[in-house]
Amino acid sequence: DARVTQTPRDKVTEMGQEVTMRCQPILGHNTVFWYRQTMMQGLELLAYFRNRAPLDDSGMPKDRFSAEMPDATLATLKIQPSEPRDSAVYFCASAAPGTKAFFGQGTRLTVV
Amino acid sequence: RKEVEQDPGPFNVPEGATVAFNCTYSNSASQSFFWYRQDCRKEPKLLMSVYSSGNEDGRFTAQLNRASQYISLLIRDSKLSDSATYLCVVTLYNAGNMLTFGGGTRLMVKP
Repeated sequence: DARVTQTPRDKVTEMGQEVTMRCQPILGHNTVFWYRQTMMQGLELLAYFRNRAPLDDSGMPKDRFSAEMPDATLATLKIQPSEPRDSAVYFCASAAPGTKAFFGQGTRLTVV
Repeated sequence: RKEVEQDPGPFNVPEGATVAFNCTYSNSASQSFFWYRQDCRKEPKLLMSVYSSGNEDGRFTAQLNRASQYISLLIRDSKLSDSATYLCVVTLYNAGNMLTFGGGTRLMVKP
């Protein structure tokens, strides 16, 4: 089965460290989303790309977060420097044109 | 006001019961509607799309009311395995099909 792959699955890091999360979308999907999920806020959209171009990253704190798609098979989300309030599960999802989105298994980030 | 609103629950129901969730959305230009299911510590997975004429998939029925801007999900003959969080999702065509999620409704089916 085609699936969205995220790495790492779990990450524990110290405050101030850089964190990089990676996502491999399903082959042929041209839209990629990054979501963050916490108990308090639920699922929040951070950024999304279409054909590798960023369409909306208004949900992302610009001072420390950055999202890129260096190529069609890889999307990255970086946090630098990380803070304890960034602790959450980060999901990547991809979609083909006009169809529903499929999620990766998520990266559980803990910043101590 | 959130763009997509759901009652967080939890809804506690016995096995075999029928349960219904509603979801309201604020943007009348919303184009597509879905229900996703999320199990504890797992990723959201598509349960079903919601069509204007209403649609059914086994024990699940989804309906859309554009005039009142809400969608519903009905689960008949609840199973223990239906226990999960159900997420209402809408998209705007002119926003690149960006998915906007409700906060989710938690369902717990008891024996």
